[in-house]
Amino acid sequence: KQEVTQIPAALSVPEGENLVLNCSFTDSAIYNLQWFRQDPGKGLTSLLLIQSSQREQTSGRLNASLDKSSGRSTLYIAASQPGDSATYLCAVKVGGADGLTFGKGTHLIIQP
Amino acid sequence: GAGVSQTPSNKVTEKGKYVELRCDPISGHTALYWYRQSLGQGPEFLIYFQGTGAADDSGLPNDRFFAVRPEGSVSTLKIQRTERGDSAVYLCASSLLAGEFVTQYFGPGTRLTVL
Repeated sequence: KQEVTQIPAALSVPEGENLVLNCSFTDSAIYNLQWFRQDPGKGLTSLLLIQSSQREQTSGRLNASLDKSSGRSTLYIAASQPGDSATYLCAVKVGGADGLTFGKGTHLIIQP
Repeated sequence: GAGVSQTPSNKVTEKGKYVELRCDPISGHTALYWYRQSLGQGPEFLIYFQGTGAADDSGLPNDRFFAVRPEGSVSTLKIQRTERGDSAVYLCASSLLAGEFVTQYFGPGTRLTVL
């Protein structure tokens, strides 16, 4: 059974810092990996989707990498801002399953 | 355009009661998913519809949970004889198609509290 782990569970940093969120998964036979953002009381917003054949994706200040063979992904946030404060979730899609398998998330606070 | 909408946003019920949660997917999206998110956890997959049919219901925890999508658009998740352990946020997502290259778009969720 696929398991997704996110480290750290919580992170608080001053505004302006660059930071890295980590995600690991136990079964490397994935179709894709997605990073989502969840704000309190709201649904999930997709940030980046990396297909299994890709190594990274970039969107603005966000960069996500994927190392399928080692079962790891990182989300890099450059020049963090208070508006980046949210819970960040990593999810993988595996073959033979229709739903996504999520980690528990990293709760990020950016201090002004 | 309009995103995925879910109603009600909050539902409080008593143990043993029946509840229905509604999801309106993005217009034209053929794939629809239900997830459940407990406090401090990531969402867990419940069921997936392709069109009107439940293509994968492997995540439904037991036979008290049932979902329908009769016309291939709106979906209703039904929970019978609710238990306190059913308390969670129920999330709905839709995608244009199913597959590994397609992003799922999530609604804001329904927070269910069973007293």
